[in-house]
Amino acid sequence: AQKVTQAQTEISVVEKEDVTLDCVYETRDTTYYLFWYKQPPSGELVFLIRRNSFDEQNEISGRYSWNFQKSTSSFNFTITASQVVDSAVYFCALSEHNNAGNMLTFGGGTRLMVKP
Amino acid sequence: DAGVIQSPRHEVTEMGQEVTLRCKPISGHDYLFWYRQTMMRGLELLIYFNNNVPIDDSGMPEDRFSAKMPNASFSTLKIQPSEPRDSAVYFCASSYGQGSIHEQYFGPGTRLTVT
Repeated sequence: AQKVTQAQTEISVVEKEDVTLDCVYETRDTTYYLFWYKQPPSGELVFLIRRNSFDEQNEISGRYSWNFQKSTSSFNFTITASQVVDSAVYFCALSEHNNAGNMLTFGGGTRLMVKP
Repeated sequence: DAGVIQSPRHEVTEMGQEVTLRCKPISGHDYLFWYRQTMMRGLELLIYFNNNVPIDDSGMPEDRFSAKMPNASFSTLKIQPSEPRDSAVYFCASSYGQGSIHEQYFGPGTRLTVT
């Protein structure tokens, strides 16, 4: 069975600090996909990144970076020089290739508060 | 391109009334998902469709909930009769499913309050 754990329920930082959001997953499949979504206070869920299990290269997009490590079953998300607009709930999610229909298993989310 | 469209954005109704939530997926997407989000239970998948056919409805809480997808551009989630414990934000999401597992794009959600 697949499972996603986001152990940090809430993180508070001051603007310009770097912050890392942890995501640990469990799966028996060798082929799977990992995702991060952002849910700002306005409520919508915004897709940030998709990564497949065969691509362990880290990815950087502006102030965002992702560290995928299969050895520890982790897919962590770092925000560099955080800004108030980064305040949101961030969800990590997993989809196994063998599941019938693109279903996502979400973690419980990490609420990030960036204070000015 | 327009994203996933949901209506209404907010719904307040009294216990026992019928509620219908609507969703228009992104054009060309062949998967459609309905989720419910509450503080207590987080994000829960209720049901999903592939090419307009319901594939897995194991997340639907009980018989009061039903969902349809009469065509590729429209889906409804109906609650009849509604109860206060149905109060939540309901999200619709769609994705393209050919060849790989792709990201889901979410609508803005419908905030349902049942009094």
